[in-house]
Amino acid sequence: LAKTTQPISMDSYEGQEVNITCSHNNIATNDYITWYQQFPSQGPRFIIQGYKTKVTNEVASLFIPADRKSSTLSLPRVSLSDTAVYYCLVGDGGTGRRALTFGSGTRLQVQP
Amino acid sequence: DVKVTQSSRYLVKRTGEKVFLECVQDMDHENMFWYRQDPGLGLRLIYFSYDVKMKEKGDIPEGYSVSREKKERFSLILESASTNQTSMYLCASSGSTGAYEQYFGPGTRLTVT
Repeated sequence: LAKTTQPISMDSYEGQEVNITCSHNNIATNDYITWYQQFPSQGPRFIIQGYKTKVTNEVASLFIPADRKSSTLSLPRVSLSDTAVYYCLVGDGGTGRRALTFGSGTRLQVQP
Repeated sequence: DVKVTQSSRYLVKRTGEKVFLECVQDMDHENMFWYRQDPGLGLRLIYFSYDVKMKEKGDIPEGYSVSREKKERFSLILESASTNQTSMYLCASSGSTGAYEQYFGPGTRLTVT
C-alpha cells in the first residue's frame, strides 16, 4: 500500500483558505486518494475522494497533479469548527478487499 | 443516515480478561473494519471483513481476533487483555464501492489495568 506523508500540524485563522498537501510517491495506477476529517472524541468522517485533476464538493476541494504523486486538500474560508485532524489515504479501496491505511494525519488548529 | 454503533463508550478491564467489543451497522454494508487509535500514531487497522465469516488481518492483528457471523455485526475479541491494549477502538463499515467511504462508530475507550 502506498505510504503517505503529510505535515503533523498546521495553524490558521478564521476566514483563511487552508491547503494541506499530502505526498504519496508510490501511488499505484488503481489507487484513489481519499481524505477524512476527525474531531476530538469522534470517529473520522469522509470528506472527499479523487483520482486525478480536481474534485470539489460542499466541504472541500481536492487538487491532484498529473503525476499523482501528491495531492492538496483545500478548505475555503475556515472557521473554528474546522479545527480537526485531517487524514490523507491512498489505496485501491474499490475492491472492498483491501483496506485503506490511515497515517498520523495533520492537526489543523484554527484561531479566531 | 448510516449508523454504526459500538457496545460501549468506556470499558475498564483487568489484565488477562477476555474482552468483547461489539459493532453493529444498519446499512447492509459488506465491509467492516476495526481500528485502534493511540496518541501520535493515528488510526491503525487491526482486522477487516468483506463478507460474513470472512476476515483479513490488518497492520496490527497480534493479540486480537474477530468474528463476523452476521452481516451487520463485527466483533473484536481480546483473548487475554494486556495493558498495552489500552486504547480507543473504532469500528467502521463501508458499502459495495469498497473501503473509500467508511462510516465510523463513536469509539470505545478501553482501559486495561
